[in-house]
Amino acid sequence: EAGVAQSPRYKIIEKRQSVAFWCNPISGHATLYWYQQILGQGPKLLIQFQNNGVVDDSQLPKDRFSAERLKGVDSTLKIQPAKLEDSAVYLCASSPRRKDKLNTDTQYFGPGTRLTVL
Amino acid sequence: QQQVKQSPQSLIVQKGGISIINCAYENTAFDYFPWYQQFPGKGPALLIAIRPDVSEKKEGRFTISFNKSAKQFSLHIMDSQPGDSATYFCAAIRMDSSYKLIFGSGTRLLVRP
Repeated sequence: EAGVAQSPRYKIIEKRQSVAFWCNPISGHATLYWYQQILGQGPKLLIQFQNNGVVDDSQLPKDRFSAERLKGVDSTLKIQPAKLEDSAVYLCASSPRRKDKLNTDTQYFGPGTRLTVL
Repeated sequence: QQQVKQSPQSLIVQKGGISIINCAYENTAFDYFPWYQQFPGKGPALLIAIRPDVSEKKEGRFTISFNKSAKQFSLHIMDSQPGDSATYFCAAIRMDSSYKLIFGSGTRLLVRP
């Protein structure tokens, strides 16, 4: 099966500009996650969708970050305005939201979008 | 309560050697502990995982050891190969919750030929 697709792969912007990232999850996966991975750190969950509803956005900086998942498939993450500290890789992941052979809901990650804010 | 601590930050091992990465957690509500492998330019990929009712799990050259009383778990890579060179993340999940992955800070492994 095709993996999680993300675009663009790289983006360079100046501070105070806006930027948007797109994610297409694995077909049929009900749950979609956006993570922020700062260089040298582990990924940190920003927001989790179950179909097109938000399950957890407790760590999303809502004054500048927004995300949507229309029709429960593709998702877009936006930053407006960007700050220097937003420089990171933004990872999208999806999961089927059902127990698999590992008896858990395995998350599958896309390649990420590397954002550089100058 | 949500933190997962990982060490070392980086590790250099000769080909054929054993690589050992350690993690510790605080929240006893965690009930699933996966390890992810990440190559440059790629997203993390599930490598192996363990539940706290098991003390050890082995898959090929990869073994997780789990110490529930100490709230620690570790990844052992036997017969390390240059192709194992990657960043490894431990993580923890509460499966009765939102399945949110709490990641460690990562270990960059370099296996020298």
